[in-house]
Amino acid sequence: GEDVEQSLFLSVREGDSSVINCTYTDSSSTYLYWYKQEPGAGLQLLTYIFSNMDMKQDQRLTVLLNKKDKHLSLRIADTQTGDSAIYFCAEVPPSGTYKYIFGTGTRLKVLA
Amino acid sequence: EAGVTQFPSHSVIEKGQTVTLRCDPISGHDNLYWYRRVMGKEIKFLLHFVKESKQDESGMPNNRFLAERTGGTYSTLKVQPAELEDSGVYFCASSLYSENTEAFFGQGTRLTVV
Repeated sequence: GEDVEQSLFLSVREGDSSVINCTYTDSSSTYLYWYKQEPGAGLQLLTYIFSNMDMKQDQRLTVLLNKKDKHLSLRIADTQTGDSAIYFCAEVPPSGTYKYIFGTGTRLKVLA
Repeated sequence: EAGVTQFPSHSVIEKGQTVTLRCDPISGHDNLYWYRRVMGKEIKFLLHFVKESKQDESGMPNNRFLAERTGGTYSTLKVQPAELEDSGVYFCASSLYSENTEAFFGQGTRLTVV
C-alpha cells in the first residue's frame, strides 16, 4: 500500500501493557520512528530503530520490527495515565532527508 | 535552549482570508520542515528548507501556499486565499543536518477555516 497504516484507537488499563502497531510502505526505509503527541504539545521523538535491527528496548518501551512484513510495533510496559497521547509511526525512505512519512496516529487512552 | 516555536498556536479565519503561520527553528539548525495534519489523517510533508533555499517543496498542495525563509532563520507559511480543506494542524520541525540526526518538532498551529 501507499499509506503508513495504524489503528486509530487503543484503550488499556493502567498497569497493563500497550501494543501499538504500524504497517509501513517502503521495505528499504532505513529508519523507523515512533513519535508521541500529548494534548497541546508538539511531536516528541520517543524512539527509533534502524532497519537492520529487529528489536530495540529502552526502559518501558520495546520496538519490534518485521522487515519481511513491513510491520513495526511499539510496546509500552506498565502503561501509566501519563502515556495517554497520540502515537505516530514514521518512516524515512532511502532518499536520506527528513521527509518523514507518518501514519495516521493511534490515540492511546489509559484508564485508571 | 529554546525548542522549535510556532505562532500562533491556533487561528480561526474565514474562507477567502489570508493567514500567515510562523516557525522559529532551534538556533543554528539549517534544516527546516513544514508538515500538515488534516482532519485526523496522517501528517504529510509539505516542504524542506536548507537555510533560505527550498530543498524540496514536493508536498505543497497548490499555489495558494507560499513558504519563505528569508535570511535562513525563521520561516513563514502563508495561505492565500484559505479554503475549508486547509483546516488542520501545521507542524514545523528543524534539524542540524538533513539526515542521521533528530528532527525537533514544534507544538503546531491549529488552523480552522470556517
